[in-house]
Amino acid sequence: DVKVTQSSRYLVKRTGEKVFLECVQDMDHENMFWYRQDPGLGLRLIYFSYDVKMKEKGDIPEGYSVSREKKERFSLILESASTNQTSMYLCASSLAYTFGNTIYFGEGSWLTVV
Amino acid sequence: TQLLEQSPQFLSIQEGENLTVYCNSSSVFSSLQWYRQEPGEGPVLLVTVVTGGEVKKLKRLTFQFGDARKDSSLHITAAQPGDTGLYLCAGGGSQGNLIFGKGTKLSVKP
Repeated sequence: DVKVTQSSRYLVKRTGEKVFLECVQDMDHENMFWYRQDPGLGLRLIYFSYDVKMKEKGDIPEGYSVSREKKERFSLILESASTNQTSMYLCASSLAYTFGNTIYFGEGSWLTVV
Repeated sequence: TQLLEQSPQFLSIQEGENLTVYCNSSSVFSSLQWYRQEPGEGPVLLVTVVTGGEVKKLKRLTFQFGDARKDSSLHITAAQPGDTGLYLCAGGGSQGNLIFGKGTKLSVKP
């Protein structure tokens, strides 16, 4: 069974804290993605990676960075968390750099910044 | 900018009713995908449609891709409470990523 695992389901952090969201996939996928999902705004792409140590900005990269040191792991970093980053964060992965491949999502991480 | 508009945004119906949700764009997409997301979970792929005019069926769900590949619809026959969830359409972006619509939140009451 394919699996994308996000390390934390629920987090509460203070404004200004550094936050790490970890994601691991066990399918040997090349592509990995971080989205955030907000009511009324849908899913918005923050960053994606199509290979180890490679990263590309998505639609809303400001305030975030990512790290992909190993193929199976893609981390999202909030350098200094702010209240407007309170959201549900979804990690996903897929084969190769071609649309049409199935994208598999993790269960999501609910982040509250107070 | 490629955008996908979904309608309606919310839909609340009784068990046994039929419904259709729509996904429209002014851009042409090479293919479109439909996902369902249940509360507290990530989206799960239901289907990919790739050919203009294509119709795919998945039990009581029927998916159609418009002839011009700018729109798609999802029709559910005899809806059941288990169909409750957020339905998302997604199309391929120019960078190989997925562009999502904002979703249709469906509630099916017993």
